[in-house]
Amino acid sequence: GAVVSQHPSWVICKSGTSVKIECRSLDFQATTMFWYRQFPKQSLMLMATSNEGSKATYEQGVEKDKFLINHASLTLSTLTVTSAHPEDSSFYICSAPTRTGGFLDEQFFGPGTRLTVL
Amino acid sequence: GDSVTQMEGPVTLSEEAFLTINCTYTATGYPSLFWYVQYPGEGLQLLLKATKADDKGSNKGFEATYRKETTSFHLEKGSVQVSDSAVYFCALSEDNQGGKLIFGQGTELSVKP
Repeated sequence: GAVVSQHPSWVICKSGTSVKIECRSLDFQATTMFWYRQFPKQSLMLMATSNEGSKATYEQGVEKDKFLINHASLTLSTLTVTSAHPEDSSFYICSAPTRTGGFLDEQFFGPGTRLTVL
Repeated sequence: GDSVTQMEGPVTLSEEAFLTINCTYTATGYPSLFWYVQYPGEGLQLLLKATKADDKGSNKGFEATYRKETTSFHLEKGSVQVSDSAVYFCALSEDNQGGKLIFGQGTELSVKP
């Protein structure tokens, strides 16, 4: 199946700094990618939809100025956590769908990025 | 809004036991339903899916039937193996063009030899 990668797989940063997480579709193009946040022992919460060539669509309650999303190309989306604080510590997961004729075939998920803010 | 509810874990079974993980949903339309599995240290993988009522999804011995009347999509396997130990997520998507998924809280399964 298709492969989605994330980089880095884990990152530790100081409070107040910004962290960038990359999500790449390695063998297919994705005009849309999704960013999720997963707390320990909990579900994945959709944060935003990343759209190539246009602004991201954020879910209710997600601060767009804090979680900056840029869909730079058909294979790359980045999530930047700005001015990170300990409460931003979490597991961030991206996904990208393959499509046929504009309709969704399957979502492929990255392995996730563990962010720890000290 | 749309939501998915799964039975709480962790679920601990002996090898070759029968598995059921309950999943119910609420949705305004006619969603597609999915089960994803997350093995330790790995990303989520699609296990099976069903796109309309009465469809049965199946894969690797797992199966689930889309029950519109009970708004359920319970996951079953007749004989679990140690290698099935993972976290299982039920999910729905109202939009087969956009691909936005709503997940249940996940159920951790531990299979003992």
